[in-house]
Amino acid sequence: GAGVSQSPSNKVTEKGKDVELRCDPISGHTALYWYRQSLGQGLEFLIYFQGNSAPDKSGLPSDRFSAERTGGSVSTLTIQRTQQEDSAVYLCASSFGTGGYGYTFGSGTRLTVV
Amino acid sequence: GEDVEQSLFLSVREGDSSVINCTYTDSSSTYLYWYKQEPGAGLQLLTYIFSNMDMKQDQRLTVLLNKKDKHLSLRIADTQTGDSAIYFCAEILDQTGANNLFFGTGTRLTVIP
Repeated sequence: GAGVSQSPSNKVTEKGKDVELRCDPISGHTALYWYRQSLGQGLEFLIYFQGNSAPDKSGLPSDRFSAERTGGSVSTLTIQRTQQEDSAVYLCASSFGTGGYGYTFGSGTRLTVV
Repeated sequence: GEDVEQSLFLSVREGDSSVINCTYTDSSSTYLYWYKQEPGAGLQLLTYIFSNMDMKQDQRLTVLLNKKDKHLSLRIADTQTGDSAIYFCAEILDQTGANNLFFGTGTRLTVIP
């Protein structure tokens, strides 16, 4: 597609359930990033994929969070046993190469844990 | 460190100039960016500047970079109501190898008609 596509756009889940968030990057972009934006806060880096290299998971807040990228394209962010503090907007971005010209962001998935 | 600081709020009258400021802590940043986030939307890249530049102008936008003070600013001339949004500055640190952006907390710009 023309842009970065994320689904679902909104997700309400019960505490303790697992959720999967999907990101379709721009075709040909080798790098893919996940960020979390909590209410009133800036963007928190979660995880980064670059080509076939091992992902940089240094931003994942706990072992309940994991992500994978299949075939160097679509990525899924999984949150297990969701907690209320996981409520946030999860943003995905992709870039070509080193990203020196900036990233293209999706519109995000708003996750609400009740 | 990767601390990027911004003031949280700015209000201006329509037609005035807006200046959004940002300070960063890592002098080795190679690229610095300004993103705009409108309500319910993702982040849109507005402009960027290389660290070897002092200024960049793009229509109503002027970016100033003071490397000595690690200070970045975005000036919006003739501010319009459509400019109301949250503005994020961000830096990229090559040496991390991750090429991920470190964002400030964002400045919420409110344009008063």
